[in-house]
Amino acid sequence: SAVISQKPSRDICQRGTSLTIQCQVDSQVTMMFWYRQQPGQSLTLIATANQGSEATYESGFVIDKFPISRPNLTFSTLTVSNMSPEDSSIYLCSVGTEQFFGPGTRLTVL
Amino acid sequence: AQKVTQAQTEISVVEKEDVTLDCVYETRDTTYYLFWYKQPPSGELVFLIRRNSFDEQNEISGRYSWNFQKSTSSFNFTITASQVVDSAVYFCALDNFNKFYFGSGTKLNVKP
Repeated sequence: SAVISQKPSRDICQRGTSLTIQCQVDSQVTMMFWYRQQPGQSLTLIATANQGSEATYESGFVIDKFPISRPNLTFSTLTVSNMSPEDSSIYLCSVGTEQFFGPGTRLTVL
Repeated sequence: AQKVTQAQTEISVVEKEDVTLDCVYETRDTTYYLFWYKQPPSGELVFLIRRNSFDEQNEISGRYSWNFQKSTSSFNFTITASQVVDSAVYFCALDNFNKFYFGSGTKLNVKP
């Protein structure tokens, strides 16, 4: 299984600011995914991060709010832009067809 | 439409009891994958199993076993002789051509 790390592990941010979350994998992977888990809820796929091309966003998520970068096969970032309290969630990246997950980033927006 | 239903919101058992977590899925495709994950209170998602739609054999891994029945579109998860460390939220998920659908999760409380 892949070893996945995320930074930061948690953060408390002010309304209107942006936060960039990093996902690093210890091996090259084709597929990387970003999910959101709102408090007490299940996981919702935000987008698929494609290396060398634009991310593919799911319904309800837009690039202006959640820009994603995928500069190589081991790294991706998700930015949560112009945050509001409703963005308070755990953000997780996952990789591969087996969908191994990183430890998550707990975001609280005040 | 694809959908995963975990009807049991929360289950409480006493240690050493067996417990089955139900998962029912919907898809029109013949090729798909089913998953189970464990999310302990610490928050990380732990991969438990991935099963493709063409493999209906039941699987056993230690105290864990999975029963896949295409006829009823179910992929149930049984923990034998539960332990306190099994307390977590368990998610069932469907992978349909890299589109992932998670169930709402079942919170399992194992009491000593």
